Order: sequence, then C-alpha cells, then structure tokens
Amino acid sequence: TAGITQAPTSQILAAGRSMTLRCTQDMRHNAMYWYRQDLGLGLRLIHYSNTAGTTGKGEVPDGYSVSRANTDDFPLTLASAVPSQTSVYFCASSELAGGGTQYFGPGTRLLVL
Amino acid sequence: GNSVTQMEGPVTLSEEAFLTINCTYTATGYPSLFWYVQYPGEGLQLLLKATKADDKGSNKGFEATYRKETTSFHLEKGSVQVSDSAVYFCALISGRDDKIIFGKGTRLHILP
Repeated sequence: TAGITQAPTSQILAAGRSMTLRCTQDMRHNAMYWYRQDLGLGLRLIHYSNTAGTTGKGEVPDGYSVSRANTDDFPLTLASAVPSQTSVYFCASSELAGGGTQYFGPGTRLLVL
Repeated sequence: GNSVTQMEGPVTLSEEAFLTINCTYTATGYPSLFWYVQYPGEGLQLLLKATKADDKGSNKGFEATYRKETTSFHLEKGSVQVSDSAVYFCALISGRDDKIIFGKGTRLHILP
C-alpha cells in the first residue's frame, strides 16, 4: 500500500506563477489536510477537508486554495506564488475527522524566487 | 484555545543516554495526545499515542504517560541510538475541536 503520495518532490517557482501541489491517498480516508512546515514554526494547517466535497480553512489559508472532488485526491493550488510561500508542504489524511491518527506524505519542497 | 508546548531543541545526547523531551498542553475537555517523529527528508509518522488520563503509549522503546494532573505527556527512552536522531512533535486533538494541534518540534541529535 502506497499510503499518501505527493508530487512534485521539489520545485523552484518564479514569483507570480501558479502551481498545483498534488496529493493522493489510497487508504479511503475521509479527512485530508495540507500543512506547511517552516523552521521554528512547526507545522501550520493551511486547508482541510473532512470528507469529499467539503473543504475548510486552517490557520494560514491566504494565498492557497484546495478542492476535494473525490475521496482520494486533495490538490493544493497557489494562484500567484510569493517568496513567503517558500516552505515544505505536507499532505496528510485520517480515517475520520478528529480523534484519529494522521498519516503524512513525504512532502513537497517549494522554493519561490 | 488549545495549545502544545514542548522543549526547544536541539537536544544532543550520546548513544545509550536517557532521553526526556518535555511536553505540556492546554486543552478543553479530554484530549487525545500524540508523539510524532520526523526522520530527515521524510514526513511525520505516529510514534505513540494515549487517549485518556494515566494511559501509557509506547513504541520502539519510547514511552509517554498521559498526566492530567500536570497536563503533561513527556517522551522518554531509556537508551537512545544514533538512529533515533529526528525531530519529535507532541500533538493533541481535543474532543471539542477536530483539528490536531502540533508543538513546534524538538530536534534530537544522537552522537555515536
């Protein structure tokens, strides 16, 4: 079982350009999450989805959008990238929203110049 | 609101030393508590968890006991190995809030 896959592994992006970070899980989990990890700040929740067809804003949603058209996929889009979005992005899933173990993907390292 | 505070790192120990990483929390209700570990270049993975007071979570020689009276969930290991070098995150999920709250992480270096 692959668990959670993320693509790309890393990316260098020019400021002002758009980009979609892909996330796919094969565990049929209901809930999915996007975090960014920055040195000294730990993990911060960007957006989440408790079930297919629904999404919600996390702690730092500005500049990001998500969609959840089906159970398996949860793409994160940066419409117009800025240097402050340089970070490592992790996708995660859990069987249910709340209370359960979260399973993380390997991350996408993004550098915005 | 809910929060998790863990000791700042980095923590540097010699192999076979005793490890403690402190974690305290603030939460409404009765949260579930977790320790996640992040090895270099990887995502986080669950190390252990406890869902009610006085529960002890354990895995890979690590242990943590849910202490409601001190609102703590300290991570311990009796004899660390070089392979334990990683970043450790304490986390909670409160029954009133379905979003997991992570501490800022503690980087652990084990020297051979």
